[in-house]
Amino acid sequence: SQQGEEDPQALSIQEGENATMNCSYKTSINNLQWYRQNSGRGLVHLILIRSNEREKHSGRLRVTLDTSKKSSSLLITASRAADTASYFCATPLGSNTGKLIFGQGTTLQVKP
Amino acid sequence: DAGVIQSPRHEVTEMGQEVTLRCKPISGHNSLFWYRQTMMRGLELLIYFNNNVPIDDSGMPEDRFSAKMPNASFSTLKIQPSEPRDSAVYFCASTRLAGNNEQFFGPGTRLTVL
Repeated sequence: SQQGEEDPQALSIQEGENATMNCSYKTSINNLQWYRQNSGRGLVHLILIRSNEREKHSGRLRVTLDTSKKSSSLLITASRAADTASYFCATPLGSNTGKLIFGQGTTLQVKP
Repeated sequence: DAGVIQSPRHEVTEMGQEVTLRCKPISGHNSLFWYRQTMMRGLELLIYFNNNVPIDDSGMPEDRFSAKMPNASFSTLKIQPSEPRDSAVYFCASTRLAGNNEQFFGPGTRLTVL
């Protein structure tokens, strides 16, 4: 089964609102990553949080990590129509394999 | 940096034909991944290479699929013979081992098999 599972599967909000997406995983990790995919494009790395970090910020993005619950959340504040995309969490498999396990993704629609 | 380069960007072919997808990873990256993405199945890892060696091909759906990485700057994914159910977007991604495993994705090849 997927290492990363996300919810909700789809989210629709108005521009200016905040969007929160959640990710759960099963095994121990040394980091967790979030990616964005615009329609018709490849995935783009957004932010990485290490297992010894609890929260990380990058612009309007805020990521939290709770290793005790094996979960992470991605918060996008003051959303814009350009944030409309699918968002995936990913966790490394093992140490130094290079492989990532991706979740099924959350599709976010931001209405202008 | 040119990023990961994939070709062709779009391919339309008829059932039974051979299809070859190409990928050039980012220079200096030593790990390369082939993914397939469909609405029904989401993003699936097909195969990945570390230092040009295939590490895990358990995601390759059938013997009709094969992948090679003859050198550090080039990889191919071949489907022979192609079937309509192979229609999908195929992504190539690369990363540097011993880093954070952040993967860099190419723009993808949209394959349509009629």
